[in-house]
Amino acid sequence: TQLLEQSPQFLSIQEGENLTVYCNSSSVFSSLQWYRQEPGEGPVLLVTVVTGGEVKKLKRLTFQFGDARKDSSLHITAAQPGDTGLYLCAGPETSGSRLTFGEGTQLTVNP
Amino acid sequence: DAGITQSPRHKVTETGTPVTLRCHQTENHRYMYWYRQDPGHGLRLIHYSYGVKDTDKGEVSDGYSVSRSKTEDFLLTLESATSSQTSVYFCAIGRRGDTQYFGPGTRLTVL
Repeated sequence: TQLLEQSPQFLSIQEGENLTVYCNSSSVFSSLQWYRQEPGEGPVLLVTVVTGGEVKKLKRLTFQFGDARKDSSLHITAAQPGDTGLYLCAGPETSGSRLTFGEGTQLTVNP
Repeated sequence: DAGITQSPRHKVTETGTPVTLRCHQTENHRYMYWYRQDPGHGLRLIHYSYGVKDTDKGEVSDGYSVSRSKTEDFLLTLESATSSQTSVYFCAIGRRGDTQYFGPGTRLTVL
């Protein structure tokens, strides 16, 4: 079974601060996806990283895929209250039919 | 939006009663998934479908059954609801091993 562990589980910061959340596994993934879920809604895809060492930027969000494709990180610069939500990483299982999800990082950005 | 709806959005029922949740898509995706989301457990896969009449179990399938008689509809049935099945249920659609698009969720309370 391919497991994804996310840390920290909870993060509460002030507006303007920077933060990094992590997604780690002992297994190699062909790709990793990051989703954000806002209260009362379903998760929405932010980005997919495919190549080891790949870095993708989405405005103030920077995503990195580890060289060995076993881990990924999400860095947010100058966090805003609108960044508040549950951040989930996910990767395709070996069978390819399903995704494995991490348990998520609950981020709260206080004004 | 990915053209995926869930009904009902909220339901309160009593222990022992049958409950059916419906997921409807307009995107013609082959794969459809049912997840439940609980605090401390993240998203857990209940069942998924890879085509009409083709379904398979996920990690928490006990007490649940599914049916897919048309490409656009995927039904989740709790044959005899229990309090442990109180949860938020999400349907998702997608291609094999690729991005999943989630519905808005159904909040189910079993008293």
